Amino acid sequence: DQQVKQNSPSLSVQEGRISILNCDYTNSMFDYFLWYKKYPAEGPTFLISISSIKDKNEDGRFTVFLNKSAKHLSLHIVPSQPGDSAVYFCAASVTNTDKLIFGTGTRLQVFP
Amino acid sequence: DAEITQSPRHKITETGRQVTLACHQTWNHNNMFWYRQDLGHGLRLIHYSYGVQDTNKGEVSDGYSVSRSNTEDLPLTLESAASSQTSVYFCASSEQVAGESEAFFGQGTRLTVV
Repeated sequence: DQQVKQNSPSLSVQEGRISILNCDYTNSMFDYFLWYKKYPAEGPTFLISISSIKDKNEDGRFTVFLNKSAKHLSLHIVPSQPGDSAVYFCAASVTNTDKLIFGTGTRLQVFP
Repeated sequence: DAEITQSPRHKITETGRQVTLACHQTWNHNNMFWYRQDLGHGLRLIHYSYGVQDTNKGEVSDGYSVSRSNTEDLPLTLESAASSQTSVYFCASSEQVAGESEAFFGQGTRLTVV
């Protein structure tokens, strides 16, 4: 049973536009959410996170939105750059478990 | 700089052989994790450890084992390799904090079982 879902396996966006990556979860116990970015032949790298006590967290071009009632989060990248082309994984955890449960990933391609 | 390293980066083995993948971190993190990445499944948790002598099963632990004899290392052993275990394996570590904790990943080991 997939507790964290990323229903779009791929997304293609023009450079300079907004990229929106979506993630849904089913476990209402999750209270900490993260986004990771992964380039080919490399390990995932942490991008941004959000606690369940917040509904938005911003870091430069990256903003994560959390809608607890819908069990949905999204990552916005504005403006998108070619270097943002990668696979993005959504992850969730329950406080004090430190154990991350990942989604299936979305491959973002940013074209000129 | 602190880091987390995996070895080997690539491994080909035969069905039925025992294989051990190494993971070493110099972050001094208590938490360590092993994940496998497969197309259509994302990253799935195999085993994890919260400290020395502590090990726990993850979502897909069958056929795998780990041991934690020190803080720095969490080797992953495939007892009898199967073709279904062909995958890319990632080790990760994180600091043990109450609540918010990001994990740092190694570069991965690509394992092929033939």
